[in-house]
Amino acid sequence: DSGVTQTPKHLITATGQRVTLRCSPRSGDLSVYWYQQSLDQGLQFLIQYYNGEERAKGNILERFSAQQFPDLHSELNLSSLELGDSALYFCASSARTSGGIFEQFFGPGTRLTVL
Amino acid sequence: DQQVKQNSPSLSVQEGRISILNCDYTNSMFDYFLWYKKYPAEGPTFLISISSIKDKNEDGRFTVFLNKSAKHLSLHIVPSQPGDSAVYFCAASANGAGSYQLTFGKGTKLSVIP
Repeated sequence: DSGVTQTPKHLITATGQRVTLRCSPRSGDLSVYWYQQSLDQGLQFLIQYYNGEERAKGNILERFSAQQFPDLHSELNLSSLELGDSALYFCASSARTSGGIFEQFFGPGTRLTVL
Repeated sequence: DQQVKQNSPSLSVQEGRISILNCDYTNSMFDYFLWYKKYPAEGPTFLISISSIKDKNEDGRFTVFLNKSAKHLSLHIVPSQPGDSAVYFCAASANGAGSYQLTFGKGTKLSVIP
């Protein structure tokens, strides 16, 4: 158990709909990262938040948005869903190791199916 | 453009033998490399990492080697055990601007045969 929680575990919805994925980082971790894993693909970085502020953006579509709340949990909002958005969405949180490097710890993921 | 490549989608190894998983990268700015292990229906689990200032890092049965000139790294598992059967992802980061975002390869599925 990484200490990162994600809800829901599974989500089935229809094209055109909007969903919200939730992530709670490990206690004390200030950074939250979102990744998307499509079929036969590696994990693609979407966006990072650090202590409530957006820190970095990757291959995130304009239909997607995220935020991090004062209690440090984060939500990923996906709107106008398309079939191609079906994927596993992972959240990770990070902490600095004694060597000064940030290790990322991943949650179990949310499997989104768009029908 | 795939910046981190794992060219072998799968690998089968006999129990007790060495497993060698390979990874190539193209971005010279990458300065930190990690290996993650993933079981079905679970999130990736951190396995081992290496900084670009080193060429080897060892942790128990797992050793990662980095060849910067070739932009190549490898993960050695000795001896391989059936419980090591999983998908292994190579990841890299360029730790600038305080982001530490990871760029992943597509993974190699390791099967350790008893």
